[in-house]
Amino acid sequence: DQQVKQNSPSLSVQEGRISILNCDYTNSMFDYFLWYKKYPAEGPTFLISISSIKDKNEDGRFTVFLNKSAKHLSLHIVPSQPGDSAVYFCAASPEYGNKLVFGAGTILRVKS
Amino acid sequence: NAGVMQNPRHLVRRRGQEARLRCSPMKGHSHVYWYRQLPEEGLKFMVYLQKENIIDESGMPKERFSAEFPKEGPSILRIQQVVRGDSAAYFCASSPDRRSGNTIYFGEGSWLTVV
Repeated sequence: DQQVKQNSPSLSVQEGRISILNCDYTNSMFDYFLWYKKYPAEGPTFLISISSIKDKNEDGRFTVFLNKSAKHLSLHIVPSQPGDSAVYFCAASPEYGNKLVFGAGTILRVKS
Repeated sequence: NAGVMQNPRHLVRRRGQEARLRCSPMKGHSHVYWYRQLPEEGLKFMVYLQKENIIDESGMPKERFSAEFPKEGPSILRIQQVVRGDSAAYFCASSPDRRSGNTIYFGEGSWLTVV
């Protein structure tokens, strides 16, 4: 049972344009959501998070939007840079700091 | 480097041998998590530990796998009698405690190859 789904295995974007990565979840008990970025042969690096009491959180070029009614969140990267090329994982947690549930990841390629 | 430290980074074991993966959490962190990533898949939760306590091991296979986080020293994930299906990347993560926020920080991973 995939509780967190990233339906796009890959995304290709031109440098300078917006990258939008999507994530859907099914468990209504999730109340905290995170995005991680991962390069090959490295561990995931935390990017940005959002609590279920908010619908938007912004940090520099990264913005996460949460639509609780649709059980959907998205990560926007503006402007996209070649160094953003990596695998992006969406993760959700039902309570603080415990047992993150990850999506399968989306490979982002930013072309220069 | 005050990050989560994992070793070894790469480990090759023959079928039937034991694999031991070690994790030192970030300084000041007392909560440790182990995740496994199989090829072409996302990370799957295995176990959550505090010092000397297993809090949640619902993601651990019932046999051959064990984890500990002793009072002194690193957390250890132990896999006995490894099989080819155990080949994966094993990631350790840590957080200060459950109340300080949900962000957990990951180590660089340990890649286990069973031949």
